[in-house]
This record gives sequence, C-alpha cells and structure tokens, in this order.
Amino acid sequence: GDSVTQMEGPVTLSEEAFLTINCTYTATGYPSLFWYVQYPGEGLQLLLKATKADDKGSNKGFEATYRKETTSFHLEKGSVQVSDSAVYFCALNRDDKIIFGKGTRLHILP
Amino acid sequence: DTAVSQTPKYLVTQMGNDKSIKCEQNLGHDTMYWYKQDSKKFLKIMFSYNNKELIINETVPNRFSPKSPDKAHLNLHINSLELGDSAVYFCASSPGTGGWYEQYFGPGTRLTVT
Repeated sequence: GDSVTQMEGPVTLSEEAFLTINCTYTATGYPSLFWYVQYPGEGLQLLLKATKADDKGSNKGFEATYRKETTSFHLEKGSVQVSDSAVYFCALNRDDKIIFGKGTRLHILP
Repeated sequence: DTAVSQTPKYLVTQMGNDKSIKCEQNLGHDTMYWYKQDSKKFLKIMFSYNNKELIINETVPNRFSPKSPDKAHLNLHINSLELGDSAVYFCASSPGTGGWYEQYFGPGTRLTVT
C-alpha cells in the first residue's frame, strides 16, 4: 500500500543553518504531496504542497519539489529561525485519504 | 474566528466509560475527518465524512462511532474506553474530496484513560 518515509528526528540545528528533511513515498499513480507543521500544543497546519511532478511548493522560506523519478519530496530552508522549532510531517493524499510520515521534530538553537 | 474547533481540549476519564468529542468547522467545507495521534506523534486517519455521509472508515474498533448531524459538525463517540485509547484526537476539514485539497486541522483533544 501507499506509504511515506521521512527522516527520524530529532534534528537540532543552530539558527541560520540550512535545513533539509528527507521524505520519500511509495504510491501508485500520482498522489498530491504535502508538508504539514505542528507547533507545540497545536493542530497541524499546511506548510506547502505540490500536486504534480516537478511542481515546487514554497511558503515562509520553505521549499519542496515533487520528484517523481526519485519518489521524493524533501523539505528545505536556507536559514532556519528559532520559531521554526516544531514537528514536520510529510504526507501524500490519494483518494482523499492522507497518509502521514511519522514526523520529524526540529529544534533550532539560538 | 476559529476555523475548526474541538471540545473538550482535555478529557480525563476512567476505563469502561463512554465519552464524546465534538468538532465544528465554520469554513463551509463539505468533508470532515477524525485522526488519532499516538504518543510517538504518529497520525492515522480514522474516519471521513462528505456531506454527512461516511466515505472513509479505517480499521477502527466499533467502540468508536462518528456522527455527522450536518456538514459543519462531526462528533466522535467512544464506548467502553480502554487504556490504549489514550491519544490526541484531531478533527479536520477540507473543501471536498480529491487528493489535491489541503486539510484544516482543529487544535486537538487530548484523551487520557486511567
């Protein structure tokens, strides 16, 4: 069945460092891909999405490109801030059912 | 204005009890969902309703029963609570069915069964 694999955390970086969180997926066909972020004590909120191959989603300095050839959707940010500390979930959506990765906790040190 | 709201935010109860969690969305969306997040932050879909009709029903014990009185509400009733039901339950909504829609999540209800 469909699945999403993302790097285990926690990931700890210093402020202004470059961030990459890897995400790969297994699915037949062409699902939409998403990154959601969960700040402490809150629900998930959409960070960015891509609905077809080679699409790039971007928001708040974060980017991810839908790579069909490598079945990947890696999240990147050039310069992280303390306020980016959260749990990040990669997800795919097929037939209205979202399948989430296990989440990656990100800690940014000042 | 809160887009997706859940009540209560915290729920502590004993094994064997029956409890309900309520969810309301004011976004005018057609589709609503319930998710369970375990202690390791793993999120799994439980149910999905579109226009008050059940469209996704994952492998969930039949002690869990969703009810959608109208498009804006999706409640979750849990009978005979067990220790393993302790988790954070999230409600979500989306404009419709279709894989390209994002989902909007509520703040979660932390259920603790003792």
